[in-house]
Amino acid sequence: QLVLTQSPSASASLGASVKLTCTLSSGHSSYAIAWHQQRPEKGPRYLMKLNSDGSHSKGDGIPDRFSGSSSGAERYLTISSLQSEDEADYYCQTWGTGVVFGGGTKLTVL
Amino acid sequence: QVQLVESGGGVVQPGRSLRLSCAASGFTFSSYGMDWVRQAPGKGLEWVAVIWYDGSNKYYADSVKGRFTISRDNSKNTVYLQMNSLRAEDTAVYYCVRSQGGGMGEFDYWGQGTLVTVSS
Repeated sequence: QLVLTQSPSASASLGASVKLTCTLSSGHSSYAIAWHQQRPEKGPRYLMKLNSDGSHSKGDGIPDRFSGSSSGAERYLTISSLQSEDEADYYCQTWGTGVVFGGGTKLTVL
Repeated sequence: QVQLVESGGGVVQPGRSLRLSCAASGFTFSSYGMDWVRQAPGKGLEWVAVIWYDGSNKYYADSVKGRFTISRDNSKNTVYLQMNSLRAEDTAVYYCVRSQGGGMGEFDYWGQGTLVTVSS
């Protein structure tokens, strides 16, 4: 069964970097995923598609501070030079016979 | 620029029906798969349904299968979600999203959402 696992929360200081993780279930390590950001009281926004080899393509207007990488079944979203506006929920998404979301990670910028 | 504008949300009693619409603009609508995703209050994102670019394939989450129907009119650049036999647990903000490719794929554009409240 295709499942995405995310840590419920993360925190980092203003100006620092943070790496969020999304883990694909066993047998699905070749799957691409997408990362989405949802700021408080707003709708989600597409950040990027991330392939199993670590290559990624970002959405319109997404700053260079956002990058993606992969290792095995793990997919990462790295945000550098953290800003207050990066405080948000981050979801990973993948697709197969249906579409699956991770549970989301709530990022707090200290 | 790509725009997805949902409409049709509101308050509805359990067991009743509601139809959501999503008007798309700024891209060649007939070339993309379209989905509905929902988010219950204080909860995460839940995929609801997808329809292929030409309407040839439709897939649903188990939670709505047999009650919800997704459809599209490529001449009107609009995708619909017919929701029947609504339950309290269907209460959520419903988002229209575009899938890259003609069927399932990454969601690269989201609408602003429309709130559906199922309550007596």
